[in-house]
Amino acid sequence: KAGVTQTPRYLIKTRGQQVTLSCSPISGHRSVSWYQQTPGQGLQFLFEYFSETQRNKGNFPGRFSGRQFSNSRSEMNVSTLELGDSALYLCASSSEPGGPGNTIYFGEGSWLTVV
Amino acid sequence: AQKVTQAQTEISVVEKEDVTLDCVYETRDTTYYLFWYKQPPSGELVFLIRRNSFDEQNEISGRYSWNFQKSTSSFNFTITASQVVDSAVYFCALSEANGVNKFYFGSGTKLNVKP
Repeated sequence: KAGVTQTPRYLIKTRGQQVTLSCSPISGHRSVSWYQQTPGQGLQFLFEYFSETQRNKGNFPGRFSGRQFSNSRSEMNVSTLELGDSALYLCASSSEPGGPGNTIYFGEGSWLTVV
Repeated sequence: AQKVTQAQTEISVVEKEDVTLDCVYETRDTTYYLFWYKQPPSGELVFLIRRNSFDEQNEISGRYSWNFQKSTSSFNFTITASQVVDSAVYFCALSEANGVNKFYFGSGTKLNVKP
């Protein structure tokens, strides 16, 4: 069974640009959540999508957005990139939103460097 | 508010030593879930274990064991007879039972196992 797939794995962007990251969840999983990992702030929750609806969002500015498609694949977008957006962006999938079956499984992440 | 504390930033041991990684959590919820994840240098967070708040039984899986104590809000992880392959960053996490896959992660403990 394929795991969570994230693309691209590595990318370098310039300040002010925008970036789109993609995530394909484990087959059959309908919940996709995104996390940002930085050395200073650690792992922080960005948002979660289930059945194409954003269910919760973390404390991030509006430059961070996402969406989920009918096949459960998800994308996140960061506009007007800042140096501080350099991070590992991790996508996680789960069969259900929070509850007894809510173990989340992570992809390998997308390493974003903003210069 | 939910919070997970991993006070040990980095631990170094020699192969075959036992090592315990500490995790202390805070939550006002009566039902919640606790997790441990392993992050090798590749970046992917690998799921190790989930524990429900109403199940205080300790668990052993091979060389890994977990000690959950509600009275002290701790969920510690012990690796017996450590191996070089155990070298990684280990994260403890907490999620609520509110229908959302929002995880609160500790800052991680980097484990170095030397041959």
